[in-house]
This record gives sequence, structure tokens and C-alpha cells, in this order.
Amino acid sequence: QVQLQQWGAGLLKPSDTLSLTCAVYGGSFSDYYWSWNRQSPGKGLEWIGEINHSGSTNLNPALKSRVSMSVDTSKNQFSLKLTSVTAADTAVYYCARGVAVPGSSDRFDLWGRGTLVTVSS
Amino acid sequence: ATQMTQSPSSLSASVGDRVTITCRASQGIGNALGWYQQKPGKAPKLLIFDTSSLQSGVPSRFSGSGSGTDFTLTISSLQPEDFATYYCLQDYNYPRTFGQGTRLEIK
Repeated sequence: QVQLQQWGAGLLKPSDTLSLTCAVYGGSFSDYYWSWNRQSPGKGLEWIGEINHSGSTNLNPALKSRVSMSVDTSKNQFSLKLTSVTAADTAVYYCARGVAVPGSSDRFDLWGRGTLVTVSS
Repeated sequence: ATQMTQSPSSLSASVGDRVTITCRASQGIGNALGWYQQKPGKAPKLLIFDTSSLQSGVPSRFSGSGSGTDFTLTISSLQPEDFATYYCLQDYNYPRTFGQGTRLEIK
């Protein structure tokens, strides 16, 4: 059974860099693309961006200047970095698997359990 | 960015009711729309993709329809486990955008 396991620091200070990693266990890494999404407390979902196994990314313009993503295909892992965090970046961050099939629209069919990241001085 | 507007933002219903949630896109997105269910403290779960395709393992009481800018998620007969928050997500263009969510509560 395919699982996404994510981890990273849960408490940051303003201006710190958020760093999260998501590992893919039990399934193909190269047949999918990989996404990060977040959800502020009591709020809706926000797409941060996505990366494929080759390292090609699509990023949300609202965060693009602060976001970077990377992959480590030797470990079936992908990572998110968000620089210069503020309280507005406090959220639960989710990694997700993206499915792209010709003739069909994309979707996120598998999600990690989420990591709460709190930004506070 | 394509804005996705869901209605209603919250809804009270009873077990056995038929429920419809709508999602409107600010521009045409073809049929590139999915629906996700989220329960408190849990990650979202894919229910429907391509507007009307049921994800494997999802009960057939869930269905989706629409095209262009207007889409609906219908639950034909509410079950206790269906009380959750529902989000639409457009994957027609970048950035991907979610609706603001519809909270489905027990009446």
C-alpha cells in the first residue's frame, strides 16, 4: 500500500525558513508528480506548487518568490522550502500525489497526514 | 488565477437526505474539476475527478456533474460518515485553486 510520510520542523520564528520533506513508500515515484498544499487554521486549502521526478516545477505565483521544491529520486522523496516565514504562513502543510493521465484532468489521489507549522516569536 | 466559488458555505441536513453542493469557476475550465472530502484533523480525500468520474472505493451515492463554469456534487442519500467539509479544485490551469469549502453538518 502506497503511503506518503512527511516531516519537518513544527515551530518556526518569523524570518526562518520552513523545510518539509515527504517520502513515498510502496509505489512508483516517477509515474506521478508531487504537490504541496496548505491549510491555515480554520481556513480553506491553498495549492503551493508541484514537482515531477525530473525536478520540473509549477509554483503558486502568490508564493513563488519564497518557495523552492526539490526531489531526491534515490530516496523517493520530495521537499518544500519556504523562506522568510511570517505568522501568515502558520498552517497545516500537506504533501500529495498528483495523477496526470492523457485525456483526463489531473487530481491528487493520495495525501500525507499533514504537518502543522506554527510561526511565532 | 481562476477563482472557485462554492455554495453554500455551510449546510445542515439529515441522514437520508439528498444534498447538492455547487462550485462556480470565474472562467471556463472544461471538465477539469475535482471534489474532495475533509474530516476534522484529516487530510482531504479525493471523491470525484474529471467532474463526474468516481474515484476508486468511493460510494456510488456520490456523483458529480457540470461543465464550463458550473459544477455540482450530489450525495444521493446522506450517511452519518458523510458529514464533513467538501472542497472543489480546478486543475484546468495554474495556479490550481480550491473553492472555499462547504461544511456539511447534521441537522
